[in-house]
Amino acid sequence: DQQVKQNSPSLSVQEGRISILNCDYTNSMFDYFLWYKKYPAEGPTFLISISSIKDKNEDGRFTVFLNKSAKHLSLHIVPSQPGDSAVYFCAASAKETSGSRLTFGEGTQLTVNP
Amino acid sequence: DAGVIQSPRHEVTEMGQEVTLRCKPISGHDYLFWYRQTMMRGLELLIYFNNNVPIDDSGMPEDRFSAKMPNASFSTLKIQPSEPRDSAVYFCASTPSGSGSKNIQYFGAGTRLSVL
Repeated sequence: DQQVKQNSPSLSVQEGRISILNCDYTNSMFDYFLWYKKYPAEGPTFLISISSIKDKNEDGRFTVFLNKSAKHLSLHIVPSQPGDSAVYFCAASAKETSGSRLTFGEGTQLTVNP
Repeated sequence: DAGVIQSPRHEVTEMGQEVTLRCKPISGHDYLFWYRQTMMRGLELLIYFNNNVPIDDSGMPEDRFSAKMPNASFSTLKIQPSEPRDSAVYFCASTPSGSGSKNIQYFGAGTRLSVL
């Protein structure tokens, strides 16, 4: 039972354009959502998060949007840069505070072409 | 801070052998998580600890897997006996608790395990 799904295994965009990565979840108990970025041979690194009480959170070039009714979130990267090429994981948690397990999606490989 | 430290980075062993993976969490973090990443199942939680006590081990695949946290700065994940289907990348992550701490987990670089 995959509670967090990223339906696009890969995405390719041109440098300078917008990258949009999508994530869907099924568990209505999820209350906190995160995006992680992973480079080869490294561990996932935290990128940005959003609480269920918000519908948007922005940090520089990265913006996460949450649509609770649709159980959908997306990560926008604009402008995209070649250094953004990585695997992006969506994750969800039942609590915003620490101590709750994270459930991860399968990941989306983003390639930004110069 | 050095971050979460895992060792070894790579482990190649033969089927039936015992394998021990090690993790040092970030100092002051009292939650520690073990994950496994495979092509088939993605990134899945195996077990996590709070203040060295196992809280949820429902993700541990079978009795061949065991995890311990003898103190706040060290944890092990042991597979005995190992099987080829255990081949994966194993990640350790930690996070602090306390007022205002959000559920952001910090990952180590992982151990790539190959069981031949």
